[in-house]
Amino acid sequence: AQSVTQLDSHVSVSEGTPVLLRCNYSSSYSPSLFWYVQHPNKGLQLLLKYTSAATLVKGINGFEAEFKKSETSFHLTKPSAHMSDAAEYFCVVRDYRDDKIIFGKGTRLHILP
Amino acid sequence: DSGVTQTPKHLITATGQRVTLRCSPRSGDLSVYWYQQSLDQGLQFLIQYYNGEERAKGNILERFSAQQFPDLHSELNLSSLELGDSALYFCASSPAGRDPGNTIYFGEGSWLTVV
Repeated sequence: AQSVTQLDSHVSVSEGTPVLLRCNYSSSYSPSLFWYVQHPNKGLQLLLKYTSAATLVKGINGFEAEFKKSETSFHLTKPSAHMSDAAEYFCVVRDYRDDKIIFGKGTRLHILP
Repeated sequence: DSGVTQTPKHLITATGQRVTLRCSPRSGDLSVYWYQQSLDQGLQFLIQYYNGEERAKGNILERFSAQQFPDLHSELNLSSLELGDSALYFCASSPAGRDPGNTIYFGEGSWLTVV
């Protein structure tokens, strides 16, 4: 069965410092993986996705994620945090067998001035 | 703008009442998903439709029902509303086919407050 674990429910970083949001997944088949961001009172916006092409995926707003099959991880990173990055981030796994879309529980990112 | 349209954006209603939330998917997308997001439960998958037929069911209560119409828009019906049904209800759509790389596009959500 598929599953997604976001290892931190809250992450706080100072503006200008790197961001790391951790995600581990479980899937019997080669999945597709996504990161979504949700700003307060807004819908979910796609940041980036991995679909078995390059393992390092670049997304919008300077975010990127690396797919590591051996570690079953898909961590989201950004070199330098901005205040506008404060939001909730969701890691999502999906595979072709049953078209189920599994969300992680989310990580709330706080940016300290 | 994701291209997924949800109405109404905000809704306040009393316990015991019934409401209908509407979703128009992106042009050409055959799959529609409904999610409920609340502070205590997080993001919960409710139900998925594909080209008019139910494809997957999640944590959807019996008081809730949904359908997808021939023009592909979808409606989520919530009845006998309880205070605990207060939440943000999202609709999402995705292109046809079982390509797991298909992106899921979300609407802005419908805020339901039950008083």
